[in-house]
Amino acid sequence: DGGITQSPKYLFRKEGQNVTLSCEQNLNHDAMYWYRQDPGQGLRLIYYSQIVNDFQKGDIAEGYSVSREKKESFPLTVTSAQKNPTAFYLCASSIDNSGNSYNEQFFGPGTRLTVL
Amino acid sequence: DAKTTQPPSMDCAEGRAANLPCNHSTISGNEYVYWYRQIHSQGPQYIIHGLKNNETNEMASLIITEDRKSSTLILPHATLRDTAVYYCIVRSRNSGAGSYQLTFGKGTKLSVIP
Repeated sequence: DGGITQSPKYLFRKEGQNVTLSCEQNLNHDAMYWYRQDPGQGLRLIYYSQIVNDFQKGDIAEGYSVSREKKESFPLTVTSAQKNPTAFYLCASSIDNSGNSYNEQFFGPGTRLTVL
Repeated sequence: DAKTTQPPSMDCAEGRAANLPCNHSTISGNEYVYWYRQIHSQGPQYIIHGLKNNETNEMASLIITEDRKSSTLILPHATLRDTAVYYCIVRSRNSGAGSYQLTFGKGTKLSVIP
């Protein structure tokens, strides 16, 4: 089945530890995105990547890092510099980075990170 | 991208049509209207999008006013599985840095009641 996967679904970490969230897609999409969602709030963009080996900061990139070494993978690292990392993290991908598509974004199931 | 305004919550009886409004009075000529929904603790799901003409697909219909300052998402026969938060988003299709972002507000929490 084609789709976008995130693992694990629930993740617990101690304060001060870095943690990496996985995002994989087999849709052959060019663009990938990471969002953060806090309770009762909408999604906020952390980072996005339009093509392999390139990525851009979103609205709330501080305390996060990403890499895009392969088209199908876009891991997100939550560093100890992120002041309030407990949140629901969503990864998405879209088929066309030319700007001419309607940019339907396909979302993964999310990872709920809790920092203790 | 233009800002959108949606009611925080709505109820709808099962089997009836759900009409979800969205105001986007500052929308510009090259901005599209998108609708996504998010069922509790899942990733958002694309529903429909449009520019100025009304649109319909297997999930919903999108009615955009002639002045494009507001729109309505219509779920023709709501079911319990349609209970979700519905997000109305406007964005440009122009290329360039940041043109691929979707800005999600708080959306409308739709509760479908048996």
